[in-house]
Amino acid sequence: DQQVKQNSPSLSVQEGRISILNCDYTNSMFDYFLWYKKYPAEGPTFLISISSIKDKNEDGRFTVFLNKSAKHLSLHIVPSQPGDSAVYFCAASDRGSRLTFGEGTQLTVNP
Amino acid sequence: GAGVSQSPSNKVTEKGKDVELRCDPISGHTALYWYRQSLGQGLEFLIYFQGNSAPDKSGLPSDRFSAERTGGSVSTLTIQRTQQEDSAVYLCASSKTPGNTGELFFGEGSRLTVL
Repeated sequence: DQQVKQNSPSLSVQEGRISILNCDYTNSMFDYFLWYKKYPAEGPTFLISISSIKDKNEDGRFTVFLNKSAKHLSLHIVPSQPGDSAVYFCAASDRGSRLTFGEGTQLTVNP
Repeated sequence: GAGVSQSPSNKVTEKGKDVELRCDPISGHTALYWYRQSLGQGLEFLIYFQGNSAPDKSGLPSDRFSAERTGGSVSTLTIQRTQQEDSAVYLCASSKTPGNTGELFFGEGSRLTVL
């Protein structure tokens, strides 16, 4: 039962444009959501998070949007840079339980 | 060290052998997690340690897998009688806050290849 799904395995955008990564979840008890970024041969690193009491959180070029009614969250990166090329994982937790991760989306930003 | 340290970084073993993977979390972090990533897959939860509480073992795929955390710090993940489907990158993470309201800090992983 895949409770967190990232339906796009890959995404390619031009440098300077917006990257939008999507994530859907099925468990309505999830109340905290995070995005992680992973470069090859490295462990994932935390990028940005959002609590279920909010619908938007912004940190520099990165913004996470949460639509609870649709059980959907998205990560916007603008402007995209070649160094943003990585695998992006969304993750969710239920009242402090362990994180459930999606399958990841490979983002490629072309110069 | 400053980050989560895992060893070995690479392990090649023959089917049927036992392997041990080690994780040294960030000092002071009370929570420790093991995940694995098989080729082309997402991060699969294995086990979670929080302080002195009983670990959450709900993600361990079979009884060939076990983990312990000694003294609330270093953790060892043991896989007995390895199978080819055990081949994956095994990732350890730690967190300073109980549960998952805080971010996880991941190590670089241990890549296991079972021939």
